[in-house]
Amino acid sequence: QSALTQPASVSGSPGQSITISCTGTSSDVGGYNSVSWYQHHPGKAPKFMIYDVSKRPSGVSNRFSGSKSGNTASLTISGLQAEDEADYYCSSYTSSSTWVFGGGTKLTVL
Amino acid sequence: EVQLLESGGGLVQPGGSLRLSCAASGFTFSTYAMNWVRQAPGMGLEWVSVISGSGDSTYYADSVKGRFTISRDNSKNTLYLQMNSLRAEDTAIYYCAKKWANYYFDYWGQGTLVTVSS
Repeated sequence: QSALTQPASVSGSPGQSITISCTGTSSDVGGYNSVSWYQHHPGKAPKFMIYDVSKRPSGVSNRFSGSKSGNTASLTISGLQAEDEADYYCSSYTSSSTWVFGGGTKLTVL
Repeated sequence: EVQLLESGGGLVQPGGSLRLSCAASGFTFSTYAMNWVRQAPGMGLEWVSVISGSGDSTYYADSVKGRFTISRDNSKNTLYLQMNSLRAEDTAIYYCAKKWANYYFDYWGQGTLVTVSS
């Protein structure tokens, strides 16, 4: 199972919006609505941010939103804040009853 | 408050073995499937294995199948990962993660570092 494809890095200024893409195949992202996103500050535990493509767990800011079109899912962060600077990973359930993650995207808040 | 605390990482020679543990608290451990996910240096996350709440069902990534064994002791609220025939490419931070709603990982530990090197 190949990793999902994410851009290595994105950046934005405080208050701006950014979007991170996550491209897979019809055996994972395109075939299931079980796409999720995780925020990871190195050295800390990853945090669950989005599930079912676009739903937010309790306690996650509504500045975070998700979407999907075909084999590509996206995470949008609006109103960027300094504390959003982190690594972001997408994940999808697969047709092999396993999970696949993206390679990760480093978000820099300028 | 859900807490997951991994332990057991360290330096091991290629071909060696190591057993990781993950102590869970703050939820009914036996009710939830549990996973191991790893991150090699400079790389992204890689799902490793999952075990059902009862422990009678397990799945593995192809990269570790036949070498790693996931297990759990619900009486001790502890998850394990027995790693045998370790290779340099198994070097990574290993995280345990609680499974939620069939497809997601809602709580994670802070990880334990495994280094495979001679």
